[in-house]
Amino acid sequence: DAGVTQSPTHLIKTRGQQVTLRCSPKSGHDTVSWYQQALGQGPQFIFQYYEEEERQRGNFPDRFSGHQFPNYSSELNVNALLLGDSALYLCASGTDHYEQYFGPGTRLTVT
Amino acid sequence: KQEVTQIPAALSVPEGENLVLNCSFTDSAIYNLQWFRQDPGKGLTSLLLIQSSQREQTSGRLNASLDKSSGRSTLYIAASQPGDSATYLCAVQSGANSKLTFGKGITLSVRP
Repeated sequence: DAGVTQSPTHLIKTRGQQVTLRCSPKSGHDTVSWYQQALGQGPQFIFQYYEEEERQRGNFPDRFSGHQFPNYSSELNVNALLLGDSALYLCASGTDHYEQYFGPGTRLTVT
Repeated sequence: KQEVTQIPAALSVPEGENLVLNCSFTDSAIYNLQWFRQDPGKGLTSLLLIQSSQREQTSGRLNASLDKSSGRSTLYIAASQPGDSATYLCAVQSGANSKLTFGKGITLSVRP
């Protein structure tokens, strides 16, 4: 079992550009959540997908959007990038009632 | 609004010491609490999950306890090793489907 995988590992973008990050959940998991972790901070919840629908959303602007595919994999899209969007983006997968498993993250740098 | 606090932000101990990492949360109506380890620039590794009905969980040299009424959890690490050096984060979940709310973590350094 490969666990939760994320791509790419690192990404450098320019302000105003758009970015897409990808996540494949652990086998058997149907729920995918995305978190943003700024340097020295704990992860902050962006949103959660279940059955291809956004089930919950944190306090992030509409520039952050996502998608879940029938195979449970997910994408996080960020439009009109700001310098403050530079962070480690973490994907977590799980099933209801059980622990969350995190991927290795994607390091996004906005210049 | 749930808030999770971990104090101190950093801790340095000599190898072999037993240590306790603290986590406090403001809303005692939690579903579960999870402890994670994070190495620099890496993702999160789940260490222990404590359901709200449980008092503690153990895995190897790690033991986590939960006191919901006081809004506290502790992670006990026995006989610390340099390889334990990392950031330790606790996170609470308020419901079966809800998000994880994290503390800022405690950065542990174990000196050889």
